[in-house]
Amino acid sequence: GQNIDQPTEMTATEGAIVQINCTYQTSGFNGLFWYQQHAGEAPTFLSYNVLDGLEEKGRFSSFLSRSKGYSYLLLKELQMKDSASYLCARKDSGAGSYQLTFGKGTKLSVIP
Amino acid sequence: DAGITQSPRHKVTETGTPVTLRCHQTENHRYMYWYRQDPGHGLRLIHYSYGVKDTDKGEVSDGYSVSRSKTEDFLLTLESATSSQTSVYFCAIRDGLAKSHTDTQYFGPGTRLTVL
Repeated sequence: GQNIDQPTEMTATEGAIVQINCTYQTSGFNGLFWYQQHAGEAPTFLSYNVLDGLEEKGRFSSFLSRSKGYSYLLLKELQMKDSASYLCARKDSGAGSYQLTFGKGTKLSVIP
Repeated sequence: DAGITQSPRHKVTETGTPVTLRCHQTENHRYMYWYRQDPGHGLRLIHYSYGVKDTDKGEVSDGYSVSRSKTEDFLLTLESATSSQTSVYFCAIRDGLAKSHTDTQYFGPGTRLTVL
């Protein structure tokens, strides 16, 4: 299967740093997406990693280790508006490259 | 903004009735997708399309059919709605432009469907 695992819920304090982990099976893997979804809204694209390493975009960074089947999303200087669900999704290679398989999402609550 | 709209945005219907949801895009994307999102399950693919009249099943296709007679429209039909199909339905397009190597999917605003 293409199981993707991420924590169900996390809580962090405004101004702090939080890391949301995502693990997946490496067989057939091509790349990994992160999406943000505020309650009652559609998912919005945050980042895509296909190579090992860290990609930084302002307060958000995403890391990938292909050999370990592991990714994380790092959010710095947390703001209240970062309270949302964060979805990781894998893209497979070959015939599966046109589909994404999503994890169940991590609900992040940012508290004052 | 990927120019995706969904209609209706909210619908309440009764068990056994047919329901059709519409996804409309304005940017000539080839690939379109229908997902459902339920608590505890995340986003699950129902059907997708890779061109006019070209569709295929996803993970949870039972009880659903789709049609794509024009590039811009992708319709999802529940032939006989059941309470288990109460969900939020998202349409997505895949940005497969040459300038983008990621084939990122972008989502429409969603349709909240309640089957009583």
